[in-house]
Amino acid sequence: GDSVTQMEGPVTLSEEAFLTINCTYTATGYPSLFWYVQYPGEGLQLLLKATKADDKGSNKGFEATYRKETTSFHLEKGSVQVSDSAVYFCALSENDYKLSFGAGTTVTVRA
Amino acid sequence: GAVVSQHPSWVICKSGTSVKIECRSLDFQATTMFWYRQFPKQSLMLMATSNEGSKATYEQGVEKDKFLINHASLTLSTLTVTSAHPEDSSFYICSARDQAVNTGELFFGEGSRLTVL
Repeated sequence: GDSVTQMEGPVTLSEEAFLTINCTYTATGYPSLFWYVQYPGEGLQLLLKATKADDKGSNKGFEATYRKETTSFHLEKGSVQVSDSAVYFCALSENDYKLSFGAGTTVTVRA
Repeated sequence: GAVVSQHPSWVICKSGTSVKIECRSLDFQATTMFWYRQFPKQSLMLMATSNEGSKATYEQGVEKDKFLINHASLTLSTLTVTSAHPEDSSFYICSARDQAVNTGELFFGEGSRLTVL
């Protein structure tokens, strides 16, 4: 079945550092890939998505590229801020509504 | 953006009692909502798909009689954990899709933490 494996946390960074969270997936078809973010006390929010190979999703300075050859969708941000402290979830969907999630990576950015 | 609200945010109950968790779409209508369960440091696991006006569709391994789902209106789905036991303690999260917008984006509630003593 479908599954998502993402980098274990927690990750602690200083402001303006480079952030990478690795995500790889296993799927039978051609899934859409997502990154969701959960800020403290809030529900999950869609951060970015990519629906086919070589697509790049981007939002709020974050980027992730759908790599079919390596079955990966790594999340990157060049310069993080304290406000980026959150839990990040990688997810896939063979259709648009049923999602398979990774375990989540907690990121803490220190001033 | 669209807002999904869950209530209660956290609940503590005694073993053997039943607990109801509500999931509301506040500013949109949702014919379909999803219920997830999350254990500490683990993935969100899809439990069931809640369909307005019809029976919920449960994922393999999820007990229908244990986790009762009712989706009686286009803005409300409820999850009732019946005869709760300590192993049912978990974080329960719902999500919903705005049926008026064809982006496929899901909106998530804040989650409800259940602790069964």
